[in-house]
Amino acid sequence: AQKVTQAQTEISVVEKEDVTLDCVYETRDTTYYLFWYKQPPSGELVFLIRRNSFDEQNEISGRYSWNFQKSTSSFNFTITASQVVDSAVYFCALSPINAGGTSYGKLTFGQGTILTVHP
Amino acid sequence: DTEVTQTPKHLVMGMTNKKSLKCEQHMGHRAMYWYKQKAKKPPELMFVYSYEKLSINESVPSRFSPECPNSSLLNLHLHALQPEDSALYLCASSIRTANNEQFFGPGTRLTVL
Repeated sequence: AQKVTQAQTEISVVEKEDVTLDCVYETRDTTYYLFWYKQPPSGELVFLIRRNSFDEQNEISGRYSWNFQKSTSSFNFTITASQVVDSAVYFCALSPINAGGTSYGKLTFGQGTILTVHP
Repeated sequence: DTEVTQTPKHLVMGMTNKKSLKCEQHMGHRAMYWYKQKAKKPPELMFVYSYEKLSINESVPSRFSPECPNSSLLNLHLHALQPEDSALYLCASSIRTANNEQFFGPGTRLTVL
């Protein structure tokens, strides 16, 4: 069984603050993918990043950065100098690699973190 | 073309109506997915199609009937729905199911009266 926990239900910050969204996961699979998706008020889920479990290198993309720590089963997401347009629901998700059978194609999502950035 | 499109954007239907949701992608992806999302909840997987064949059905009631006529198109046929089926229905696609980098459409917001 797999589980993704996003303990922060809602976060509220003021523009230009840095904010970190936490994600902790549980899985028995030795290889897996981790994802972050953004869902703005319009409803569309926007893919942000995919990491392989065997690649623990942290990644930075503009104001976004991700910290993957396999030892603590965490995949945290930091937005630097937040902007109003960052306001959205953010989902962390997990999927097994090479699971075969009915596990193929299954994303396990966390409950999501609602981020509100105030001007 | 790097997007997934869904029609209609909004749909209101009665419990005795029959309607269909449509999803289209032209990225050459061979896996397509239907999700249901209730307010303030994560998406829940309903169906997965791989190479136009149904590979996962997450015990979805038979009043939801998926169809994949070709590699670019995915339909969800609705019949005799209940008010609790009101939700955002999201379609997604990926290169293959094993690839799992899923790209989502904007969704159809369904209201069942």
